[in-house]
Amino acid sequence: DPKIIQKPKYLVAVTGSEKILICEQYLGHNAMYWYRQSAKKPLEFMFSYSYQKLMDNQTASSRFQPQSSKKNHLDLQITALKPDDSATYFCASSQVNSQNTLYFGAGTRLSVL
Amino acid sequence: SQLAEENLWALSVHEGESVTVNCSYKTSITALQWYRQKSGEGPAQLILIRSNEREKRNGRLRATLDTSSQSSSLSITATRCEDTAVYFCATDAGGLSGKLTFGEGTQVTVIS
Repeated sequence: DPKIIQKPKYLVAVTGSEKILICEQYLGHNAMYWYRQSAKKPLEFMFSYSYQKLMDNQTASSRFQPQSSKKNHLDLQITALKPDDSATYFCASSQVNSQNTLYFGAGTRLSVL
Repeated sequence: SQLAEENLWALSVHEGESVTVNCSYKTSITALQWYRQKSGEGPAQLILIRSNEREKRNGRLRATLDTSSQSSSLSITATRCEDTAVYFCATDAGGLSGKLTFGEGTQVTVIS
C-alpha cells in the first residue's frame, strides 16, 4: 500500500482557475515537502514543513500556498493557474534528523490549458 | 546556489552489464543522495553518502563521493531490465529546511 497518497493523479485545469493538490502521508514523519518536476528541468524544491510549520519557501509566487490541516497532511493550493504551472507535483516526507531521506508520493500531473 | 548535475543525459546497457552514472556539484554539502525514478512513479532513494564517507554500498549499487573534486558516481552491477529508470543525484547542504537540490537526471535503459 502506498504510504504517501497524492490526489488526484491527473488534473486538467483552465488558465485562471484554482486547484488544490492533496497529500497525506502514513509514515509517521514530522516533515513534509512539495517538489515540482517540469519538462526538461530538475526536480525543484518548493516548500518544507516541519511539525506543521513552514520551514522554507522557495517559490517566487504567492499563488502557491501550502495548507497543513493535520500533521500528516500537506495540501498545495494553486490560484490563478497559468500554462507554465503545468508540471508534475510531488509530495514527500521525512523524519527530521534522519539526514533528509525523502519518501516521495507518485505525484499529481497538472496540465493547465 | 548549489547545483547538482549528472554528466550524461542517457545511457544504454545490456542486461547483466555494469553501468556508472556520474554527478558533479558546486558547493559544500553534508551528504549526497542517489534516487531512482521509474516511469509514472516518484523518486525513491537508493543510497545516502555522507560528506565524510568515500564509498557506500547497497546490494548491487555502489556510490562514491569525492569532496575534493565535488563529484559522485553511482555504479550498478549485474543490471536487470527493472533497473531501467532515471537516476538523480541530490545534494543536501544541511540546515533545517530539509531542502535537497536535484540534478537533471540520467536515463538508464537496460536492454534485454
